Amino acid sequence: SQQGEEDPQALSIQEGENATMNCSYKTSINNLQWYRQNSGRGLVHLILIRSNEREKHSGRLRVTLDTSKKSSSLLITASRAADTASYFCATEPTGGGNKLTFGTGTQLKVEL
Amino acid sequence: DSGVTQTPKHLITATGQRVTLRCSPRSGDLSVYWYQQSLDQGLQFLIQYYNGEERAKGNILERFSAQQFPDLHSELNLSSLELGDSALYFCASSDTADTQYFGPGTRLTVL
Repeated sequence: SQQGEEDPQALSIQEGENATMNCSYKTSINNLQWYRQNSGRGLVHLILIRSNEREKHSGRLRVTLDTSKKSSSLLITASRAADTASYFCATEPTGGGNKLTFGTGTQLKVEL
Repeated sequence: DSGVTQTPKHLITATGQRVTLRCSPRSGDLSVYWYQQSLDQGLQFLIQYYNGEERAKGNILERFSAQQFPDLHSELNLSSLELGDSALYFCASSDTADTQYFGPGTRLTVL
């Protein structure tokens, strides 16, 4: 079963705009990770934020984590057409080893 | 390119058959994970191996089994296949850190 729910399910924006995706989860976690998946292909790791971190940046990506609300957000700034993909959050539960529990994903479409 | 390879890329077979999916992890990674991605279940963790031993088990059916060999490559065996087993099967690998690197996947179609 999936732990995470992502919102929105789908997002369509213009190139240059910012895209924000949200993820909620249910249990205590060691870390939360965001992955990108181009249509039917492998997942690409984007960024990892640990449970004791609140915000992290990587290039045009900004991730926040609120463990009290069990939620995270991924912001992609100045989006490009190449950012079109599905984005998944994945949580590593506390005491659950390294197995990841994935959210339902957000389909992002960036139009020219 | 993540450094994780999976073969075959596509597999089409009939119900009741048995298939083997193969994964080669990144050089030096001791952990291998298997995930299934289907339209109705999303991405689900199946099983993890660490240096040849089973480390964690997820939603893996009894008809499915896996192993990790001394050279660290892993195989996922799916038997008595059903239509519902049609999915993308991903392998991922990691070292001692938290990040998992995913392979390109094997698309299984059961007719």
